[in-house]
Order: sequence, then structure tokens, then C-alpha cells
Amino acid sequence: AQSVTQLDSHVSVSEGTPVLLRCNYSSSYSPSLFWYVQHPNKGLQLLLKYTSAATLVKGINGFEAEFKKSETSFHLTKPSAHMSDAAEYFCVVSDGPGRRALTFGSGTRLQVQP
Amino acid sequence: DGGITQSPKYLFRKEGQNVTLSCEQNLNHDAMYWYRQDPGQGLRLIYYSQIVNDFQKGDIAEGYSVSREKKESFPLTVTSAQKNPTAFYLCASSTGTPQYNEQFFGPGTRLTVL
Repeated sequence: AQSVTQLDSHVSVSEGTPVLLRCNYSSSYSPSLFWYVQHPNKGLQLLLKYTSAATLVKGINGFEAEFKKSETSFHLTKPSAHMSDAAEYFCVVSDGPGRRALTFGSGTRLQVQP
Repeated sequence: DGGITQSPKYLFRKEGQNVTLSCEQNLNHDAMYWYRQDPGQGLRLIYYSQIVNDFQKGDIAEGYSVSREKKESFPLTVTSAQKNPTAFYLCASSTGTPQYNEQFFGPGTRLTVL
């Protein structure tokens, strides 16, 4: 069975400061991991994905995440927050035979203060 | 432009009525999915389809039905048996490649039961 825990339901940062959104997962197999972003009343957009290649994954809009198997973590970071980064972020794991099913974390709402 | 469309954007229903949410994709993807999103929660899988004329129940299929008669279309019917249907509904599609399972999302339909 697979599961995802996003450790913070809300994160608030000032514009220009670093962003850290934390995610831990559990998986019976070698998982694929994703971060998606959702702006209000919109669908989800893929930020980045890990699929057993390089453990440091770079995504769009300056985001990156590091897969740490020993810590079962996949934290999302960005060196400098922008006002447009304010949104809901979801950590997602995919594993198991066929890898058809995704399991979503409960989300982290990022606020960016001017 | 390739993508996923959902209609309508907003839908209001009286108790006891069935309603159908539309989802169309022109990405030539084999797999399609329906998720439900409630405030402060991640996405929960309702139904998914890996190929035309075949679909599988997800985690919360009770009170919902789907069909997959065409590759590009995967409509979701919310029946009167669904006790708490007010939610944001998201449709997604993917290539179904087993190696990873990146999904592309539509803009969503917000259903409100009056």
C-alpha cells in the first residue's frame, strides 16, 4: 500500500525568501513521485516528477525536489518565492503493478507575503 | 491546442436529480480518470478507464457511474444515490505508460447541490 503525508497544511513566506514544502511517502515498490500545483478553482499542473533517474529533480518555475530514499521524503523547494507561487501544492505517489493509481497528499497551501 | 476540457464549469443540482459531467481530451491518451476534491483534502479517485469500453472503480465509486464509448470522452454521472455530491470534480488523462503515470488535468467542474 502507498501513502503520502504532507507535513504542513499551510506555509507562509515573504516574497524573495526560500520555500520548503515537505512530503513523506510510504510505498511497497519503487515509486514515482510528483508535485502538482493548483491555483484557485483551476485544474492541477505538473511541477516536476521523479521516476528513478536523478534524485534531484528540477521542475518548472524554479522549483526542485530531492528524492531521499533513506528518509522516504520528497520535499519541494524554491530559492526565492514569487507572489505568483501562492497556490495549493500536492505531493503524489504512484506505485504498484501497472502504476495506474495515484495517491494524493492532502495538500499544502502556500501564501506569499509582499 | 491539445488538452482536456470539462463542462460545465459550474453546475447546480436539486436533490434527487442525476447530473452528467463532461470530459473530453484530444491528447490521444488511452487512460482517463475522475477525481473528487473536497475543501482541505487531496484528490480522491472515483473511476478510471485504461482503454475504450473498460473502466474500473476507484476509492469512492458509490453513487457515481461512467462510460467510455470513445477514446476522447469519459463522462461522469452523479446519481441521486450519492449522498454528498457537492464538490469540485476533476478529470485527467494519461498515456498509461507503466513507467510513470503523469496525468494531465482539466479545469474542473464545481457541482453544488441545492
